[in-house]
Amino acid sequence: EVKLVESGGGLVQPGGSLRLSCAAAGFSFSSYWMSWVRQAPGKGLEWVANIMQDGREKYYADSVKGRFAISRDNARNSLYLEMNSLRAEDTAVYYCARDSGTDLEYFYLWGQGTLVTVSP
Amino acid sequence: AIQMTQSPSSFSASTGDRVTITCRASQGVRSNLAWYQQKPGKAPKLLIYAASTLQSGVPSRFSGSGSGTDFTLTISYLQSEDFATYYCQQYYIYPLVFGGGTKVEIK
Repeated sequence: EVKLVESGGGLVQPGGSLRLSCAAAGFSFSSYWMSWVRQAPGKGLEWVANIMQDGREKYYADSVKGRFAISRDNARNSLYLEMNSLRAEDTAVYYCARDSGTDLEYFYLWGQGTLVTVSP
Repeated sequence: AIQMTQSPSSFSASTGDRVTITCRASQGVRSNLAWYQQKPGKAPKLLIYAASTLQSGVPSRFSGSGSGTDFTLTISYLQSEDFATYYCQQYYIYPLVFGGGTKVEIK
């Protein structure tokens, strides 16, 4: 079965850190750009970051640049998001998403999401 | 960054209605636009890419059009399972940006 499964969410204090993981299955993970997309409670979708197939290129939203780091381990079929200096406005469901396979960055496959809550 | 503006932000419709949602980009994105459907508590689902190409498995009552700055998503005959929130997304240039969403509610 083709799927993405996120983990690592939870409650963290402002200023704290958290590492999200996304396990891929059922497709050739190393062949695709991968992204993180988040959704604050009751709000719309916000792209966070993405990473090229071999990890050489990475892009970030301005809202997380310098605080978040995206990485991947193709041998483990896994995507990661290291989140530092967390703020209340980072509270959201974080989705792992795979692109179409054409290097055009729309999102063909999504995980179920993991909730990150930043609160004292 | 490019801004994506959807209208309306929400509206009510009845089963069988023809509905149109608009997405406007603050600068041209050619045809690099996708549409997603999201239901409460679920991940988004890709409906359309390249502005007008229907994703495999998506019912033909969904269609997309436009290029440059102005795009539309049309549902020709609204079904009960279509009540959801719809988002556009440009992938022409970084940062990737979603529209604010359009919630389609039952009248």
